[in-house]
Amino acid sequence: DTGVSQDPRHKITKRGQNVTFRCDPISEHNRLYWYRQTLGQGPEFLTYFQNEAQLEKSRLLSDRFSAERPKGSFSTLEIQRTEQGDSAMYLCASSLGPGRRTEKLFFGSGTQLSVL
Amino acid sequence: DQQVKQNSPSLSVQEGRISILNCDYTNSMFDYFLWYKKYPAEGPTFLISISSIKDKNEDGRFTVFLNKSAKHLSLHIVPSQPGDSAVYFCAARPNSGYALNFGKGTSLLVTP
Repeated sequence: DTGVSQDPRHKITKRGQNVTFRCDPISEHNRLYWYRQTLGQGPEFLTYFQNEAQLEKSRLLSDRFSAERPKGSFSTLEIQRTEQGDSAMYLCASSLGPGRRTEKLFFGSGTQLSVL
Repeated sequence: DQQVKQNSPSLSVQEGRISILNCDYTNSMFDYFLWYKKYPAEGPTFLISISSIKDKNEDGRFTVFLNKSAKHLSLHIVPSQPGDSAVYFCAARPNSGYALNFGKGTSLLVTP
């Protein structure tokens, strides 16, 4: 399978716990995105990496959220001190630069987070 | 605030007929528009796109129309097939930055 891979597919946690998600992009893709989708809404942008550099962050990404992409390969998204409002589908997407305007994002199947 | 709006949460169409999904946007800085299709338990998959300098783009059964003056775009699927049943998201990209702005989606059901 050469698509975008996300792990785990589902995560149930208790409020206040920390969680970490992993994303493996398509191997030759240098761009990686994290989006969040809640029920009845479209995906909302969280952050963008070009290679290992985090170039753009949404104001939705509070200081409890941190994302990394060491060595420009896989990426992790960590949420500290989870809250019930963090319950959502976390989607990772990748694309191949350098063009920006016409780039097409390839999404993974997402990690469904439930905070109890 | 929602800058990309899909005002129809759902649409039901008979197989073989035309499906028309609509999308409105408010930000005049958007210069590229995309449609994504999403099946349950899967991530969105790219369907078709259009640049703001064009008013139509066609790919097989799928055509996207853009009316810049009205800040409106639509996706036409002809003929509709049961396998087209999915949630369709309209997305827009501003002329700076990398974030895609998505609408809330329209759930399309194509009945035999």
